[in-house]
Amino acid sequence: DIVMTQSPDSLPVSLGERATINCKSSQSVLFSSNNKNYLAWYQQKSGQPPKLLIYWASTREFGVPDRFSGSGSGTDFTLTISSLQAEDVAVYYCQQYYSIPYSFGQGTKVEIK
Amino acid sequence: QVQLVQSGAEVKKPGSSVKVSCTVSGGTFGRHAISWVRQAPGQGLEWMGGIIPIFGTTNYAQKFQGRVTITADKSTTTAYMELSSLRSEDTAVYYCARGGDGGGIGFYYYVDVWGNGTTVTVSS
Repeated sequence: DIVMTQSPDSLPVSLGERATINCKSSQSVLFSSNNKNYLAWYQQKSGQPPKLLIYWASTREFGVPDRFSGSGSGTDFTLTISSLQAEDVAVYYCQQYYSIPYSFGQGTKVEIK
Repeated sequence: QVQLVQSGAEVKKPGSSVKVSCTVSGGTFGRHAISWVRQAPGQGLEWMGGIIPIFGTTNYAQKFQGRVTITADKSTTTAYMELSSLRSEDTAVYYCARGGDGGGIGFYYYVDVWGNGTTVTVSS
């Protein structure tokens, strides 16, 4: 099974500042035949289901603000919020959809400093 | 707009089974994978298994093999997840979740639309 490890567990950030969340997979999620990284990012606010932000490691879902961006390849990935807004307070999860079971990271809680 | 509407909360005894439904409206039911993901209180997300309704093919996490059954009824655009031999550790919110198409035609297991969640409580 692929283990997804996020860092940090908790991230206090001032409003307007950059937030960076890391996600590392225990094996590569890059599929060589199409050169795509099978990695997604989600935002979950308290009491709500998660919301898709990014898929293919860097493709922003329709309607997601462009302050959210994803990068990385192979085993190391990053979600960046370029300028933190109050509504971005949430828990963020990465997920690999490369191989079964399609595992999630443990989550990173972003809060206002 | 696509909506996934799940059945209501359940309270079950240890050792019993639960079956949760997920009705998909506003989209093309057969053209996306459907996953079931659970979240225990205060915990993270756990993928349990999924189905591609147009083919009827299922995939399960090894952890749940033999205890979970995922089915889909194309005529009613409804997916089901049945979990047996319930124990207290199965207390969680269970989400059905539609897989994305990757920006083209394909069946992928990242989730672009989530259900509202069904709380299952296992208690004696």
